[in-house]
This record gives sequence, structure tokens and C-alpha cells, in this order.
Amino acid sequence: GDSVTQMEGPVTLSEEAFLTINCTYTATGYPSLFWYVQYPGEGLQLLLKATKADDKGSNKGFEATYRKETTSFHLEKGSVQVSDSAVYFCALNRGRWVTGGGNKLTFGTGTQLKVEL
Amino acid sequence: SAVISQKPSRDICQRGTSLTIQCQVDSQVTMMFWYRQQPGQSLTLIATANQGSEATYESGFVIDKFPISRPNLTFSTLTVSNMSPEDSSIYLCSVVVGDFTGELFFGEGSRLTVL
Repeated sequence: GDSVTQMEGPVTLSEEAFLTINCTYTATGYPSLFWYVQYPGEGLQLLLKATKADDKGSNKGFEATYRKETTSFHLEKGSVQVSDSAVYFCALNRGRWVTGGGNKLTFGTGTQLKVEL
Repeated sequence: SAVISQKPSRDICQRGTSLTIQCQVDSQVTMMFWYRQQPGQSLTLIATANQGSEATYESGFVIDKFPISRPNLTFSTLTVSNMSPEDSSIYLCSVVVGDFTGELFFGEGSRLTVL
């Protein structure tokens, strides 16, 4: 079945440091890939997505490139801020949503990021 | 995008009781789902809430424990029945906005603690 593997956290960085959170996946076909972020006490928010190989998703200074050859979708940011402290989830969805069930957004276990001054 | 409101946002419940969580969306959506996020863990899909018909449950989840209603395209409820401490989790309502390749939006979740 489908699966997503993320690097374990917590990841602790100083402000303005470079961030990489690794994500690899296993799925048949051509899944869409996502990064979600969960700030303390809040629900999940979509951070960025990529729907086909070599696509680069970007938002709020974060980037991730869909690499089919390495089945990866690593999240990067050049300079993190304290406000980026959150839990980051990598996820995949294999194709279109369909009515009646059979849908599943498969999540990784999440990586907690702590950014300190 | 969609604004998803969940009630209650948090609650403390006694073992053996049941609690119903409501999910209200500010627009009509075709796809609505319920997820569970246990402490320190990732999200697990409980079921797809189908409008006008019975929900479709994932492996390991059953209707008697997690009955779901979806009376219309903007509203759904999830009941956690006969609760035990193992049911202490965040329960999240989510919807697909747009067409069938649209993105998934989440409510802020309902944090349940069972004593």
C-alpha cells in the first residue's frame, strides 16, 4: 500500500538557519504530494503541493520538488523564523477524489520543528 | 478555500459516555472526511461521510463505535460512542474544495480527553 516516511523530530534550529525535512514515499502510479503544517493549537493547513514529477511547490519561503526518480519530496527553507515552529506533515494522494469512499490522503508521522532565537 | 467550523473544540469526557462532534462548512462540498490524530501520532482516516447514504469506514473503524451523519452538503457529525481513554485524540473534519483534484482543507479539530 501507499506510505510516506518522514525524518523523525524534533528538529531544533537557530533562527535564520537552513531547513531540510526529508520525505520519501511509496505509491503506485503518479501521486500528488503535499506538505501540511500544524501550528500549536491549530488544525492542519496546506503549505504547498506538487501534482507531477519535477513540479516545485512553494509558499511562504518553503519549497519542495517532486522527484520521481528518488520518490522524494523534501521540504526546504533558506532561513527559518521562530514563527515557523510547528509540526510538518508530508502526505500523498493517489489521483482523483471519488465519491462513496476509497479516498485516502496518506500522511507521514510528522516532524516537529523548533526554531530558537 | 473553505471555512470549517468544528464543535466542540475540546472536551473532557467520562469513560462509557458518548460525544457528538459537529462539522459545519461555509460552502457546499462533495467530499467530507473524518480523521483522528492520536497524541504524538499522524493522522488516520476514520471514514468518508457520504451525503444521503451511509459513511464508508476505513479498516479498523466501525459504524457502531463511530456513527456518522451527513444530512446535507455543508454539515456532518461524528459520534464517538462508549468512550475509553484510548479514544483520547484530536478528531478532524476535512473537505475537498473544488473539483475532484482539489485540495483537502481541515477544520481546527476537536480535542477529546477521556478519563
